[in-house]
Amino acid sequence: DAGVIQSPRHEVTEMGQEVTLRCKPISGHNSLFWYRQTMMRGLELLIYFNNNVPIDDSGMPEDRFSAKMPNASFSTLKIQPSEPRDSAVYFCASSPPSYEQYFGPGTRLTVT
Amino acid sequence: GEDVEQSLFLSVREGDSSVINCTYTDSSSTYLYWYKQEPGAGLQLLTYIFSNMDMKQDQRLTVLLNKKDKHLSLRIADTQTGDSAIYFCAENGGGGADGLTFGKGTHLIIQP
Repeated sequence: DAGVIQSPRHEVTEMGQEVTLRCKPISGHNSLFWYRQTMMRGLELLIYFNNNVPIDDSGMPEDRFSAKMPNASFSTLKIQPSEPRDSAVYFCASSPPSYEQYFGPGTRLTVT
Repeated sequence: GEDVEQSLFLSVREGDSSVINCTYTDSSSTYLYWYKQEPGAGLQLLTYIFSNMDMKQDQRLTVLLNKKDKHLSLRIADTQTGDSAIYFCAENGGGGADGLTFGKGTHLIIQP
């Protein structure tokens, strides 16, 4: 099993640009989560999907952030426009119909 | 709201046991987790415990849960240099396949 796959692994962009992060969950998992990790705030849940439906997006910081899951094997997290304070490591995780969450390697985003 | 607290650092000698502690506030948590993060990597699920259990052992890892005091610990027997990492405690808020609330992580430092 390849595990959760995220791309790109690193992204450097300028303030104001659109950024799209991608995630492929583990096959057969029906829940998908997006987290953000920063030194100041630690790991924070942004949004999660169950069977491709967004369940809780209360962690999404602003309207500049949006997430989609068009099918069971793909999700995107988009930031438009990006700002320097969005710099962080963004993790995607997936879960089977149980309580185990498996994390991807993360995307390190730097907004200059 | 939900809160998970951990000490920031723990230093142990190689070969000794490490005990990493965590407290949480959400009494409805059904599962509690320990994740390991090595530098530049994602989070690796080490183990988890259901809230109606008080102990779980898996090779060198022992998890103890005191639900009354909302206290969770992770004991690593015979600590090795490869155990050097950040260890995160997390809880799921009792809502099934919900997003996790993480502590800030404990840096485990191994002395030779």
